[in-house]
Amino acid sequence: KQEVTQIPAALSVPEGENLVLNCSFTDSAIYNLQWFRQDPGKGLTSLLLIQSSQREQTSGRLNASLDKSSGRSTLYIAASQPGDSATYLCAVRSGGTSYGKLTFGQGTILTVHP
Amino acid sequence: DGGITQSPKYLFRKEGQNVTLSCEQNLNHDAMYWYRQDPGQGLRLIYYSQIVNDFQKGDIAEGYSVSREKKESFPLTVTSAQKNPTAFYLCASSIDPGQGLHQPQHFGDGTRLSIL
Repeated sequence: KQEVTQIPAALSVPEGENLVLNCSFTDSAIYNLQWFRQDPGKGLTSLLLIQSSQREQTSGRLNASLDKSSGRSTLYIAASQPGDSATYLCAVRSGGTSYGKLTFGQGTILTVHP
Repeated sequence: DGGITQSPKYLFRKEGQNVTLSCEQNLNHDAMYWYRQDPGQGLRLIYYSQIVNDFQKGDIAEGYSVSREKKESFPLTVTSAQKNPTAFYLCASSIDPGQGLHQPQHFGDGTRLSIL
C-alpha cells in the first residue's frame, strides 16, 4: 500500500527566503507525482506535475524534483512572498491501476511573514 | 470560465438524515472523483467515476453513495450509516486517465459538512 509523508508539517519563514518542502513515498512504482496548493477553506490548485521519467519541473519561482528510486520529491520555492502562505500537498499516482488514483500526503502548512 | 462547482459551501446534517453534496463540471471531463479531507490527514478517495453510468468505490466508500447520470454531474450522498461525517469534501475531475496517465486532476472549492 502506497504511503506518502510530508515533512515538515508546518514551516514559518521571513519574506524573501528560499525554502524546501519534502515529500516521500513508499512504493517507487509511480506514474507521476503532483504538487498542489490549498488556501484555507478552498480546493486544491495544481502547481506542478512530474512524470516518473522526469527529474524536475519548473514554473516561475517553483521547482519540483523527483528521485523515484529513493522515493523522494522536493518543492523548492525561491524568494518566498506572503502570498505563498498556504498548505502544500503532494500526491503520487501509483502504478497498477488505470483510473488514476492519487495518494496524498498530509500537507505542509507554510507561513511567510513580512 | 471552465471549472468545477460544488454546492453548498457549508452543510449541516441532523442525526439519521441523508444529505447530498452537489458537484458540477463544465470541463468536458470524463472522470470525476470525491475525496474526504480531515484535519492533519491527506485526502482520501471515497468514490470515482470514469464514465457516465459507471462508478467504483474508493478507499472509504462505506456510508456514502453516488450516481453518474450525466457527464457533468457527480453528486455524493452522505447517508445516516456514515457515523463520522464531519469533514471537508472535495470533488475533482480529469480527462480519462485511460487516455493519458499524466492528466492532472482539477478540484472544486469543497463543501464543509458538520453535524448538528
